[in-house]
Amino acid sequence: QQQVKQSPQSLIVQKGGISIINCAYENTAFDYFPWYQQFPGKGPALLIAIRPDVSEKKEGRFTISFNKSAKQFSLHIMDSQPGDSATYFCAASMEANSGYALNFGKGTSLLVTP
Amino acid sequence: NAGVTQTPKFQVLKTGQSMTLQCAQDMNHNSMYWYRQDPGMGLRLIYYSASEGTTDKGEVPNGYNVSRLNKREFSLRLESAAPSQTSVYFCASRTRIGTEAFFGQGTRLTVV
Repeated sequence: QQQVKQSPQSLIVQKGGISIINCAYENTAFDYFPWYQQFPGKGPALLIAIRPDVSEKKEGRFTISFNKSAKQFSLHIMDSQPGDSATYFCAASMEANSGYALNFGKGTSLLVTP
Repeated sequence: NAGVTQTPKFQVLKTGQSMTLQCAQDMNHNSMYWYRQDPGMGLRLIYYSASEGTTDKGEVPNGYNVSRLNKREFSLRLESAAPSQTSVYFCASRTRIGTEAFFGQGTRLTVV
């Protein structure tokens, strides 16, 4: 029972284009929504995160858009670069229980072509 | 600046063998986690430890046991390995909600 659903599974974008990855969740108790980036042979690393009290957060070329009523959030990568080619995971967690465990989506493999 | 350290990095087991994956963090984090990563399945939580002395099952706990040895160390044990446990295993730690979870480099396990 995947608690966070992520799409697309894979994505090919030309250099300079916009990469968009979407996630949806059901549990309204989730209150922390991070995105992780993973390069081959490495562990995931935090890219950017958002709390549900804001609708958007931007850090450099990376933006999270959050729609609380629709229970959806997305990652936008502006001016995508070949170095952004990696697997991206959205996740969600809730305060108050589960040891703050992160529930991950299935991941999106992004390839940015030169 | 070691962060989260996992050992071993690679392991091949025969069906039925047992082994323990070790994880240690030096960031004084309270919570530690074990995930497995399989192609197309994302990261699935096996077990977690919210604080020293406590452990709880995650999404896919069958066939595994864990020990929170102290605040720094959280081990994962496979008592009788099965081919279905072939995976990449990640240990992670974090201190509280809204903070970054740090991952180790992973253990690539193959069960033949």
